[in-house]
Amino acid sequence: QQQVKQSPQSLIVQKGGISIINCAYENTAFDYFPWYQQFPGKGPALLIAIRPDVSEKKEGRFTISFNKSAKQFSLHIMDSQPGDSATYFCAASMNRGAQKLVFGQGTRLTINP
Amino acid sequence: GAGVSQSPSNKVTEKGKDVELRCDPISGHTALYWYRQSLGQGLEFLIYFQGNSAPDKSGLPSDRFSAERTGGSVSTLTIQRTQQEDSAVYLCASSLDQIQPQHFGDGTRLSIL
Repeated sequence: QQQVKQSPQSLIVQKGGISIINCAYENTAFDYFPWYQQFPGKGPALLIAIRPDVSEKKEGRFTISFNKSAKQFSLHIMDSQPGDSATYFCAASMNRGAQKLVFGQGTRLTINP
Repeated sequence: GAGVSQSPSNKVTEKGKDVELRCDPISGHTALYWYRQSLGQGLEFLIYFQGNSAPDKSGLPSDRFSAERTGGSVSTLTIQRTQQEDSAVYLCASSLDQIQPQHFGDGTRLSIL
């Protein structure tokens, strides 16, 4: 019940296209859902996060869509650029983020120029 | 520095040896987390410190793992009698308080020969 399932494991998108990564969770006590971006040799960096009281949050080219009834959330990267090539992790936690993050397995995104 | 600092960046040691990994959180951050990132298990929570409260040790995989946080700042993760399955990247994160976003360091890559 603590798991967060992420798909796809890898994704190739053409420059300028839309990258979409999906996550699903089981534990309805989760109330904080961040997305992290990780480059090789670096730690994860927070991209954007959402709480379940909203269905969508947008920051620049990055959008989180959240479906509480389906227990799913997704990351959309608009106008994808080669610099977006990285591994992306979704995560979830309880108590408004005051506890451990439970991570998805990650998606390796490649943007072809 | 402005970010979470971890040392060493790389550590190679022989099976059975003890290792100590260090984390310097962002100044003023009261919450500190340790995670482990490995190919087979992804990103896993290990332990969480918040202020003067008792740490949440629920993610430590065995009693060979321990961590402490001195003076509410620097933290040390110790692994005793290392095993090959301990090989992973150990990541530290800190947050301003328990409901603020977690910021990660670049990790210590631990290799057990």
